Amino acid sequence: AQTVTQSQPEMSVQEAETVTLSCTYDTSESDYYLFWYKQPPSRQMILVIRQEAYKQQNATENRFSVNFQKAAKSFSLKISDSQLGDAAMYFCAYKGNQFYFGTGTSLTVIP
Amino acid sequence: DTEVTQTPKHLVMGMTNKKSLKCEQHMGHRAMYWYKQKAKKPPELMFVYSYEKLSINESVPSRFSPECPNSSLLNLHLHALQPEDSALYLCASSPLPAEAFTEAFFGQGTRLTVV
Repeated sequence: AQTVTQSQPEMSVQEAETVTLSCTYDTSESDYYLFWYKQPPSRQMILVIRQEAYKQQNATENRFSVNFQKAAKSFSLKISDSQLGDAAMYFCAYKGNQFYFGTGTSLTVIP
Repeated sequence: DTEVTQTPKHLVMGMTNKKSLKCEQHMGHRAMYWYKQKAKKPPELMFVYSYEKLSINESVPSRFSPECPNSSLLNLHLHALQPEDSALYLCASSPLPAEAFTEAFFGQGTRLTVV
């Protein structure tokens, strides 16, 4: 079965600094998608960024970028120029035949 | 309209009550999902509807009963719940059927408290 591991239950970052959230996954599938979702206190899960496994180029969305290492099965999220509004739970997710969430990382942004 | 709308936002119910949660999307999505989420935990999949038919039931107790009256609407009927069922219930939808989807859109959830 596929598993998604986020080894950092909590992280903190100073406002305007950069932080990297880790995610590793285990799969025998060759074709899949990876996602980072953000869940602020408002509760809604918001898609931050998506990566197709067949693409070698790392996805980027404004201040958010990923480091996708397919051989290592690693999918980390880098947040640059952190803002107070980035404070939230971040879930890494995997979609192959089924959809799996990681355990989440709670990010605090320090003013 | 790019939203998944859930009502109510908060619900308190007794263990003998019957209530329903509602989820609506007008994006033409073909799959809709119910998730249960406990505090500081990832969402757990409960049910999946593809083309208005139940395609996945993750061994959810019968006190939870899903219904998909049409392609835009998903309900979750609740009856004889237990206090441990208190959680955030999230609805999601995806453009493609569950086995092929590449992105899911989530609602804001219903915070359910069973007393």
